[in-house]
Amino acid sequence: QKEVEQNSGPLSVPEGAIASLNCTYSDRGSQSFFWYRQYSGKSPELIMFIYSNGDKEDGRFTAQLNKASQYVSLLIRDSQPSDSATYLCAVIKASNTGKLIFGQGTTLQVKP
Amino acid sequence: GAVVSQHPSRVICKSGTSVKIECRSLDFQATTMFWYRQFPKQSLMLMATSNEGSKATYEQGVEKDKFLINHASLTLSTLTVTSAHPEDSSFYICSALTSGGFSYEQYFGPGTRLTVT
Repeated sequence: QKEVEQNSGPLSVPEGAIASLNCTYSDRGSQSFFWYRQYSGKSPELIMFIYSNGDKEDGRFTAQLNKASQYVSLLIRDSQPSDSATYLCAVIKASNTGKLIFGQGTTLQVKP
Repeated sequence: GAVVSQHPSRVICKSGTSVKIECRSLDFQATTMFWYRQFPKQSLMLMATSNEGSKATYEQGVEKDKFLINHASLTLSTLTVTSAHPEDSSFYICSALTSGGFSYEQYFGPGTRLTVT
């Protein structure tokens, strides 16, 4: 079992729809969870982080964390073609200070 | 978010030569920086953790004598690819760690695309 798992996709949604990206992790003691966006040929860009159970909203983005079920998700409302990218879920395990464990990424395609 | 720069953004070198890549945190001090490598259509692979004032910690399978890391100040880490070969051609990305109490956030540089001919 991979430490951080994501469906590689592609996930295709129409413009204006809600895109839902999911991620599960294996280390129950993990404390910190991150979503990065990576456009083709570019480096990752931090878009959200969440530490506590529940929802965290920032503009069109909402991160959801459920530690009991060991999953974290990212919702993108009113999806735009410019949101088309690979979304990387990353986790800091309980035993590591700062070192990120990445999932393989989910490719999102927003069709006009 | 915090700003991290990398230089050069793109480099082409001949096989057998060495290449140095710089990673700078521009608006914060980073005691820890990370170096990643990414091949096309693959996820990031962590190569090493760079700690200011101490030796880098390399991930399993990464040759420390080939990928030399120096973190001489709180804002600068360098990666030197020694005796580069075509199989070293890749996208090299650094990140810098900010930390405050409970939280750790990594911010990535724009990456360096290395081509070895």
